Amino acid sequence: GNSVTQMEGPVTLSEEAFLTINCTYTATGYPSLFWYVQYPGEGLQLLLKATKADDKGSNKGFEATYRKETTSFHLEKGSVQVSDSAVYFCALEGTGGGNKLTFGTGTQLKVEL
Amino acid sequence: ETGVTQSPTHLIKTRGQQVTLRCSSQSGHNTVSWYQQALGQGPQFIFQYYREEENGRGNFPPRFSGLQFPNYSSELDVNALELDDSALYLCASSLGGTRDTQYFGPGTRLTVL
Repeated sequence: GNSVTQMEGPVTLSEEAFLTINCTYTATGYPSLFWYVQYPGEGLQLLLKATKADDKGSNKGFEATYRKETTSFHLEKGSVQVSDSAVYFCALEGTGGGNKLTFGTGTQLKVEL
Repeated sequence: ETGVTQSPTHLIKTRGQQVTLRCSSQSGHNTVSWYQQALGQGPQFIFQYYREEENGRGNFPPRFSGLQFPNYSSELDVNALELDDSALYLCASSLGGTRDTQYFGPGTRLTVL
């Protein structure tokens, strides 16, 4: 079946540091890949997505590239801010239809001044 | 445009009781998916409704049931509550096609004592 593996958290960075959160996946075919963000006490917000190999999703300074050869979708940001502190979830939608998302366990990011 | 809303925000029940959670989909969306997010984990897919019909189900027992109404709002019912049912329950709506983005509500926090 489909699965998503994310790097363990929490990740603690200083403001303006470079961020990478690793995500790898297992799926048949060509899934769509997503990053969602969850701020404390809130639901999930879509951060970015990519629907085919070599696509780059980007939003609010965050980027992730769909790498089919390494089955990865790592999240990056060049300069993090305190307001980026949240839990980040990598997810995939398989090709079997039904619009069902499979999530990783989440990576907590804490950005300090 | 109104986003996805859920009610109630918080709920406390005792083991063996029954609970109903409600979700109003985003305007124009005909598909609702329900997810269970245990503390410190990623969301797990429960089931999905498309135009009032169940359209896929995750690995949850039959005591988790639901329905979708003609206005595409939805309910999640859980019977014979167990302690492990304590979680954040998330509803997401989408346009219904494969690879359509799912938009999440803020969730209902269920505590089973």
